[in-house]
Amino acid sequence: GQNIDQPTEMTATEGAIVQINCTYQTSGFNGLFWYQQHAGEAPTFLSYNVLDGLEEKGRFSSFLSRSKGYSYLLLKELQMKDSASYLCAVRGLNDYKLSFGAGTTVTVRA
Amino acid sequence: KAGVTQTPRYLIKTRGQQVTLSCSPISGHRSVSWYQQTPGQGLQFLFEYFSETQRNKGNFPGRFSGRQFSNSRSEMNVSTLELGDSALYLCASSPLTGNVNYTFGSGTRLTVV
Repeated sequence: GQNIDQPTEMTATEGAIVQINCTYQTSGFNGLFWYQQHAGEAPTFLSYNVLDGLEEKGRFSSFLSRSKGYSYLLLKELQMKDSASYLCAVRGLNDYKLSFGAGTTVTVRA
Repeated sequence: KAGVTQTPRYLIKTRGQQVTLSCSPISGHRSVSWYQQTPGQGLQFLFEYFSETQRNKGNFPGRFSGRQFSNSRSEMNVSTLELGDSALYLCASSPLTGNVNYTFGSGTRLTVV
C-alpha cells in the first residue's frame, strides 16, 4: 500500500514563496502527481514527476527524490487565487491507481 | 472539448437507501476511476474501469459497485447507505489505463441523513 504525508495547512503572504512537502512510503512507485483543488471544485492537474529532479512550469515547480520518498511543490509569486488545497498523489506500479495525501490547505493573505 | 460530467451535483438520501451516480468521461477517454473524498480521509480510490472491465478496486465494502458502458460512461452504485457514506464522489477519466492525463469531474456531493 501507500502512506502519503503532507502538512495540513500553510499560510503565506501575497507575492511570497511557499513550499509544500510530501513524503511517501510505497510498495511500488510509478509517478507522483500534484493537484490543486479549490473549495467545491474538481482537482486540477499541476504536475507529474516520475524521474528525480525539478520540473518547472511557470510559477509552479515540483521536485522528486525517489530514493528519499520525497517531493515538494513550490509556488512562487503567490496570488490570492492560489488559496486552495494542494493534493499529493502517488501512482502504484502495477495497479496504476492514485493514492492521495490528505491535502494541504494554503491560505494566501494580502 | 467538454470536460468530465458528473450527475447529479448534489444528492440527499436516507440511511438504508441506495444511490446511483453517473460519470461521462471526456470524449475519447476510455478509462474512468472513482474516488471518495471526505474531510477526514482525503481522496480514496474506489475502482477503475477500462473498456467495460473493472481493472482495479480499492478497499471499500461490497456495497460500493460500479460499471462501465460501451460508450465509456460509468455509473457507481452504493446500496444500503450509511451516514458515513456522506462524501464528495469524484470521477476521473483518462485516455488509457496508466495514462498520466487524468481529468477530474466536479463531483457529486452525497449527503446521507
